[in-house]
Amino acid sequence: ETGVTQTPRHLVMGMTNKKSLKCEQHLGHNAMYWYKQSAKKPLELMFVYNFKEQTENNSVPSRFSPECPNSSHLFLHLHTLQPEDSALYLCASSSPLAGANVLTFGAGSRLTVL
Amino acid sequence: GENVEQHPSTLSVQEGDSAVIKCTYSDSASNYFPWYKQELGKGPQLIIDIRSNVGEKKDQRIAVTLNKTAKHFSLHITETQPEDSAVYFCAASFSGNTPLVFGKGTRLSVIA
Repeated sequence: ETGVTQTPRHLVMGMTNKKSLKCEQHLGHNAMYWYKQSAKKPLELMFVYNFKEQTENNSVPSRFSPECPNSSHLFLHLHTLQPEDSALYLCASSSPLAGANVLTFGAGSRLTVL
Repeated sequence: GENVEQHPSTLSVQEGDSAVIKCTYSDSASNYFPWYKQELGKGPQLIIDIRSNVGEKKDQRIAVTLNKTAKHFSLHITETQPEDSAVYFCAASFSGNTPLVFGKGTRLSVIA
């Protein structure tokens, strides 16, 4: 247990469904991240939030919609996804005290789009 | 922008042998180089990192070396054990203000 909890761990959805991924951390970190992990590709940064404000959006399609209601919670809302969106979605957090780039990752949410 | 290349993509070693994974980066301004280990069913976990003001850092059986001139850095694992089997990722960034850029990962298998 790293202190970053992601739910659900597995999700299967159709292309017309709407679902959400949830991430929660109680490490006192102020920055939260969404990464996409696909086979044989580097980890792809999707979104970054610092103190609840989005500071990075890496040209992510609008069918992915992030939400950060507070520094401890991060959501990724999914709608009208494509099969190529099937991947492991990782949430991470960091603190300026440890260094902004020292990331603590959750275990990930494995998404399958049918 | 930064680009990180990692080799090899897979590596098999006998238990007790050493393993070396190498990464190169493109942006000479990068000055922070972490290594993450990802075990099956888990997220990546930071195992060691190095900043550009040092050339080598060691923590028990793992060490990282950095060659700024050549823009490459390496992870060395000595006396490998089965529990070292995992996917290892290198990454690079400039200071703490820019996002990490990751390599594609190396799947290490330690054969007992």
